Amino acid sequence: DAGVIQSPRHEVTEMGQEVTLRCKPISGHDYLFWYRQTMMRGLELLIYFNNNVPIDDSGMPEDRFSAKMPNASFSTLKIQPSEPRDSAVYFCASTGGGSSYNEQFFGPGTRLTVL
Amino acid sequence: DAKTTQPPSMDCAEGRAANLPCNHSTISGNEYVYWYRQIHSQGPQYIIHGLKNNETNEMASLIITEDRKSSTLILPHATLRDTAVYYCIVKYAGNMLTFGGGTRLMVKP
Repeated sequence: DAGVIQSPRHEVTEMGQEVTLRCKPISGHDYLFWYRQTMMRGLELLIYFNNNVPIDDSGMPEDRFSAKMPNASFSTLKIQPSEPRDSAVYFCASTGGGSSYNEQFFGPGTRLTVL
Repeated sequence: DAKTTQPPSMDCAEGRAANLPCNHSTISGNEYVYWYRQIHSQGPQYIIHGLKNNETNEMASLIITEDRKSSTLILPHATLRDTAVYYCIVKYAGNMLTFGGGTRLMVKP
């Protein structure tokens, strides 16, 4: 398996623009997580899905952020409009249920820079 | 309200064992100890987890004290590629991962 795939790897955009980050989880995994990492706040959980359904989005910073999982092999994290303080590395992770529930497999991340 | 305390940084000589400590004095009976690491510019990587007993896998060993108030992650023969930030996380099985500051391990030749 190729592991968790994220695209793009790097994104530079201007304030006010819409940004869409993409994630393909490992096949067969039924949990998907979106994290954000900054120097100031470290690694934070934004939202997670189980069987394509959002379970907890309490970590989403504000209404400008939205996440979807239309099917088991694809998820998006959208920021509209983007702001400079959204600059961070965004990670997607996935895991299967049962005994492997918390062995999360992380993608390589998307480094977002908002100018 | 951190559940774990880790030294911010440590050095280790290449080929030597790296022993990374973690204090979790308020751990509850059903909370697990998890270790992840993050190599520069990569996503975090699961290493190992345990509840009460010591655990070993191909990457590392986890030693948990009898009172469960602290633990040590052991990398038996550290290599330069083990240079990373190591996160100790205490949590119930069904809860989410909460990453703290971790320990920045520098393996030196």
